[in-house]
Amino acid sequence: AQSVTQLDSQVPVFEEAPVELRCNYSSSVSVYLFWYVQYPNQGLQLLLKYLSGSTLVKGINGFEAEFNKSQTSFHLRKPSVHISDTAEYFCAASFNAGNNRKLIWGLGTSLAVNP
Amino acid sequence: DGGITQSPKYLFRKEGQNVTLSCEQNLNHDAMYWYRQDPGQGLRLIYYSQIVNDFQKGDIAEGYSVSREKKESFPLTVTSAQKNPTAFYLCASRTGGLEAFFGQGTRLTVV
Repeated sequence: AQSVTQLDSQVPVFEEAPVELRCNYSSSVSVYLFWYVQYPNQGLQLLLKYLSGSTLVKGINGFEAEFNKSQTSFHLRKPSVHISDTAEYFCAASFNAGNNRKLIWGLGTSLAVNP
Repeated sequence: DGGITQSPKYLFRKEGQNVTLSCEQNLNHDAMYWYRQDPGQGLRLIYYSQIVNDFQKGDIAEGYSVSREKKESFPLTVTSAQKNPTAFYLCASRTGGLEAFFGQGTRLTVV
C-alpha cells in the first residue's frame, strides 16, 4: 500500500539553528511530493512541491527540500529557523498510478523553535 | 482572489443535532475533499468528490454525509450518528494530481 512516513513526531530546536524534518514515501510509481505548514487553528499552506526536474526544491519562508528517489525520501530543511517557524508540518504524496490520484498524508511533525 | 472558504470558523452544537459545515471554492477545481483533524492523528479523509454529483467515502465516513450539486460547493453534514464529532474539519480542493488548497477550517464543538 502507498504510504507517507514522517519519521519524527516532534522536533525541538533553538532559534537560528538548522533543522531537518524527515519524510519517506513508499512507492515505485511516479510521485509528486509536497510539504505543508499549519499554524494553530488554521488551514494548511503549501511550502513547496516536487513534480519533476531538479531534485532540490526551494519554497517559501526559506525552506527547501531534496527529492531522493533511491532512498524514497523528501526531507525538508531550513538553515536557520525563527520562532515564527513553530508550527505543524505535513508531508504528502500524490501517486500517479492509473486513475488513483489520492493524496496520501504523513502524520505531521511538530516543530518547536525555542529562544 | 481565488481560494476556499469554510464557514463558520467556530461551531457549537448540542449532542444529537445534525450540523452542516460549508465549503465553497472559486478555483475551478474538479476535486474536493473533507478531512478531520484530531491532535496527534494527522489528517483523516472523510469524503471526497472528483466531479459534480459524485462522491466517495474516505477512511472515516461513518456518521457523515456530503453532497456535490455544484462544482463550487461541497458541504459536509455531521449527523447524530457520529459518536465523537468534536474536531477540527478541513476542506480542500485540487486539480489533476497536483497540490491541494485548503480552507481555514471549522472547529466543531459538541456539548
